[in-house]
Amino acid sequence: EVQLVESGGGVVQPGGSLRLSCAASGFSFSDYSMNWVRQAPGRGLEWVSYIRTSSSLIYYADSVKGRFTVSRDDARNSLYLQMSSLGAEDTAVYFCARTSTTFFDLWGQGTLVTVSS
Amino acid sequence: SYVLTQPPSVSVAPGQTARITCEGYNIGSKSVHWYRQKPGQAPFLVVYDDTDRPSGIPERFSGSKYGITATLTISRVEAGDEADYYCQLWDTNIDHGIFGGGTKLTVL
Repeated sequence: EVQLVESGGGVVQPGGSLRLSCAASGFSFSDYSMNWVRQAPGRGLEWVSYIRTSSSLIYYADSVKGRFTVSRDDARNSLYLQMSSLGAEDTAVYFCARTSTTFFDLWGQGTLVTVSS
Repeated sequence: SYVLTQPPSVSVAPGQTARITCEGYNIGSKSVHWYRQKPGQAPFLVVYDDTDRPSGIPERFSGSKYGITATLTISRVEAGDEADYYCQLWDTNIDHGIFGGGTKLTVL
């Protein structure tokens, strides 16, 4: 089955760090660029980060640049998001999404990150 | 930064046609994509590249674009179409993904 499964979410204190993972299956992960998209409670979708195949290009939203790091391990069919200096504004469900040209054609179910003391 | 503007809500009776708009500067030069999201679920692609439908998406869903406005049209609306709908594009000037604020479709 073609799917993406996120993990690693949880409760973290302000200023803390967390690493999210996204496991891909059912397709050739190394052939696709990937993204992270988040959604704060009751809010809309916000694009977070993009990583091209072979990690050849990486982009970040201004709101996370310098605090978040995206990476991938094609041997493990996995995408990662290392998050640091977390604040309340980072509380959200984080989705990984597969890229096809400029749209997101496959999404995971999301993992919830709550930043709270 | 680039902004996509959607109406917060659209209401339509079953069997009627729903039109959800997405406005953005120079949107004509960019490919616009549409997603449906039901409560507690991940977004799901329903239209890509302005007018194309992924396999499995009914013909009732169609996309168009004119001037500064892209439109998602849902014909013969059903109760199951009730969801949030988001437009999206890739801003090549800054290499960022951009989402509209979302439109809640209510089926009366």
